[in-house]
Amino acid sequence: EIQLVASGGGLVQPGRSMKFSCAASGFTFKNYGMAWVRQTPTKGLEWVATISYDGSSTFYRDSVRGRFTISRDNVKSTLYLQMNSLRSEDTATYYCTRGGYGYNPAFDCWGQGVLVTVSS
Amino acid sequence: DTVLTQSPALTVSPGERVSISCGASEGVNSYMHWYQQRPGQLPKLLIYRASNLASGVPARFSGSGSGTDFTLTIDPVEADDTATYFCQQSWNDPNTFGAGTKLELK
Repeated sequence: EIQLVASGGGLVQPGRSMKFSCAASGFTFKNYGMAWVRQTPTKGLEWVATISYDGSSTFYRDSVRGRFTISRDNVKSTLYLQMNSLRSEDTATYYCTRGGYGYNPAFDCWGQGVLVTVSS
Repeated sequence: DTVLTQSPALTVSPGERVSISCGASEGVNSYMHWYQQRPGQLPKLLIYRASNLASGVPARFSGSGSGTDFTLTIDPVEADDTATYFCQQSWNDPNTFGAGTKLELK
């Protein structure tokens, strides 16, 4: 069974940092691009960032570029999202997803989501 | 950004056929995907690249379209299909999602 188990999240003050991780199992992690997608009741679903299967290529939405860093450890089968200079508009549930890259352009597996609240 | 427009809500009866539309503000080739999100649950991929059924998804679901106009069809609709359905394009940067169509059953 494919599983994406994210950890991290919580309440953080504006301007501070937070890092998530997402442990993958049930598939050959190193063969797949991975992505983070976030969801809020007001803005809906938003793609945040994508990383290629080998980590050599990364892509970001404009509003997070320069503040967020997506990375992966193919030995540990783990995906990461480092978020710096957090803003209130980053408040969302963040999903770890498989896909969004190359021959797998859709997000075909989703982790359970981690809630981030950016507030003073 | 490519804006994806979906009708906000539909109400149908079990056993009927329903078509959910998604219009793109610019061409997305065939790179349109559809997701189902039941209340309190994760999004689930239903259709990828406009018309390809994702693994494990019942054949009651189908997708069509290309360019700027796409449709997700459920035939027949079952009670379990109560959910919000999202379209998403991955042809233009950035990936974008529609606001979702909430499907309710009578």
